Amino acid sequence: GAVVSQHPSWVICKSGTSVKIECRSLDFQATTMFWYRQFPKQSLMLMATSNEGSKATYEQGVEKDKFLINHASLTLSTLTVTSAHPEDSSFYICSAPRIREEQYFGPGTRLTVT
Amino acid sequence: RKEVEQDPGPFNVPEGATVAFNCTYSNSASQSFFWYRQDCRKEPKLLMSVYSSGNEDGRFTAQLNRASQYISLLIRDSKLSDSATYLCVVNRGGSYIPTFGRGTSLIVHP
Repeated sequence: GAVVSQHPSWVICKSGTSVKIECRSLDFQATTMFWYRQFPKQSLMLMATSNEGSKATYEQGVEKDKFLINHASLTLSTLTVTSAHPEDSSFYICSAPRIREEQYFGPGTRLTVT
Repeated sequence: RKEVEQDPGPFNVPEGATVAFNCTYSNSASQSFFWYRQDCRKEPKLLMSVYSSGNEDGRFTAQLNRASQYISLLIRDSKLSDSATYLCVVNRGGSYIPTFGRGTSLIVHP
């Protein structure tokens, strides 16, 4: 069964609004989680590393004030897309490393900004 | 040079064929390597980890060549259900941070 969940699975929002996406590890604790974005027919692009109890580490070119990450507990990380624009429309996926550093992925959230 | 490079394909093969993918990586300090499979509009799922000694899981064989900094995935007796994108993942040296290749598309036809 799934070991990482994401909510919501899809969301449509208006330009200028904010959207929060949750990522949960279901039967294990994750001090680190990763957030990715994937555009159609492209690979996953790592956006940031979410660290429980400390600030997230963002990849070069990712605006930390636009993509707010909060790792509130050992099983929950949230990504908030602030002041969303149509170009933010994408597939957002989270993952958490479990055993042997393998990543377990959430099912993804499809965001459409109109 | 990109951290992880893959031929995007597509590789178009008939059922029963053997197909091989390669992936090169730039960080010689990397220690962990994986192959993931991603179906259209779905999240990636772990196919297999890649160990120094190579490993096999049924029809799938993965190998690591540290000297040349590449990993490979061999699929024997291809099935229609093998059609997917295969992602090469290399953890940055000394960390859990995964770096993805752009993926190789495989299409298995009857």
